Amino acid sequence: DQQVKQNSPSLSVQEGRISILNCDYTNSMFDYFLWYKKYPAEGPTFLISISSIKDKNEDGRFTVFLNKSAKHLSLHIVPSQPGDSAVYFCAASGEETSGSRLTFGEGTQLTVNP
Amino acid sequence: DAGVIQSPRHEVTEMGQEVTLRCKPISGHNSLFWYRQTMMRGLELLIYFNNNVPIDDSGMPEDRFSAKMPNASFSTLKIQPSEPRDSAVYFCASGWRRFSGNTIYFGEGSWLTVV
Repeated sequence: DQQVKQNSPSLSVQEGRISILNCDYTNSMFDYFLWYKKYPAEGPTFLISISSIKDKNEDGRFTVFLNKSAKHLSLHIVPSQPGDSAVYFCAASGEETSGSRLTFGEGTQLTVNP
Repeated sequence: DAGVIQSPRHEVTEMGQEVTLRCKPISGHNSLFWYRQTMMRGLELLIYFNNNVPIDDSGMPEDRFSAKMPNASFSTLKIQPSEPRDSAVYFCASGWRRFSGNTIYFGEGSWLTVV
């Protein structure tokens, strides 16, 4: 039962353009969502998060949007840079259902071409 | 600040041998997680601890896997006996459990190959 899904295994964009990574979830009890970035041979690093009481959170070039009714979140990177090329994981948690554990999606490989 | 520290970074072992992976969480964090990453299953949670107590070990694949957290600054994940299908990257992560969400921080991972 995959409660967090990233349907696009890969995404390729041109430098300077917008990258949009998508994530869907099924568990309505999730109330906290995160994005992690992972380079090869390294551990995932925390990027940005959003609580279910918000629908948008912005940090520099990174913005996360949450649509609770559609159970969908997205990560926008503007402008995209070659150094953003990595695997991006979305994750979700809900105090009611899972305490502090995070459930991860399968990841999306982003490639930003110079 | 020191992040989550894992050892060994790389381990190659023969089938049947015991493997012990170690983790030092970030000081002050009260939650610790062991994840495994494989091509087939992505990032899967094996077990997590709150205040050194195992909370959910439903992700541990079978009895060959065990994890301990004897104190707030150290945890181990043990596989005995190891099998080739255990080959994966094992990540330890730590965080501060709070009501309104939990951000966790990962170590660099332990790359295990069982031949």
